[in-house]
Amino acid sequence: SSELTQDPAVSVALGQTVRITCQGDSLRSYYASWYQQKPGQAPVLVIYGKNNRPSGIPDRFSGSSSGNTASLTITGAQAEDEADYYCNSRDSSGNLWVFGGGTKLTVL
Amino acid sequence: QVTLKESGPVLVKPTETLTLTCTVSGFSLSNARMGVSWIRQPPGKALEWLAHIFSNDEKSYSTSLKSRLTISKDTSKSQVVLTMTNMDPVDTATYYCARIRSYYDSSGYYVRLFDYWGQGTLVTVSS
Repeated sequence: SSELTQDPAVSVALGQTVRITCQGDSLRSYYASWYQQKPGQAPVLVIYGKNNRPSGIPDRFSGSSSGNTASLTITGAQAEDEADYYCNSRDSSGNLWVFGGGTKLTVL
Repeated sequence: QVTLKESGPVLVKPTETLTLTCTVSGFSLSNARMGVSWIRQPPGKALEWLAHIFSNDEKSYSTSLKSRLTISKDTSKSQVVLTMTNMDPVDTATYYCARIRSYYDSSGYYVRLFDYWGQGTLVTVSS
């Protein structure tokens, strides 16, 4: 399969922990990357590889993976974390790329 | 400082060919561990990968759009060009270029990711 599946929407109370998941067969072979996209802006990389954060990304963002599921966890969600989150990986062939459908995170 | 900037027409007519240019700075298109990809996003919808190219001229295309896409690069100008033929209103989207970084992690896995993105350019297809 060349698809990545995400829940369309997730909500979290301010300061609480939220997990956003991404499922797909390719995740058994390849790491997922996670991107945050706010309205009118380009996506920003927040997690890549096993569990790496680019410079400038707060340490409340973390990533994990098990089997065909990758997860992005925000520990102590802040109002500024409200955004769309997309997972991405190479497809099962390794030659192409696939994105998840995105998860809209609402911070209550 | 790594930057990518997309340029091209904001409006194209149905059946026309779209040509987009991604001008990069802060890295070289001849770097073996770097590549550039094109990704698009229709208004209100998800990201969709289109194509990529690497320094060794390795190219790949979205299976669904392969017949319409061509990607190329001019290393001396630090530019990557995407052409898409036979444009249709459903191709209306923001088109992004993104840098691909490749590396081996501590476990020996070969990792590729989109680490820097351009600001995107909105292309509308309408007569």
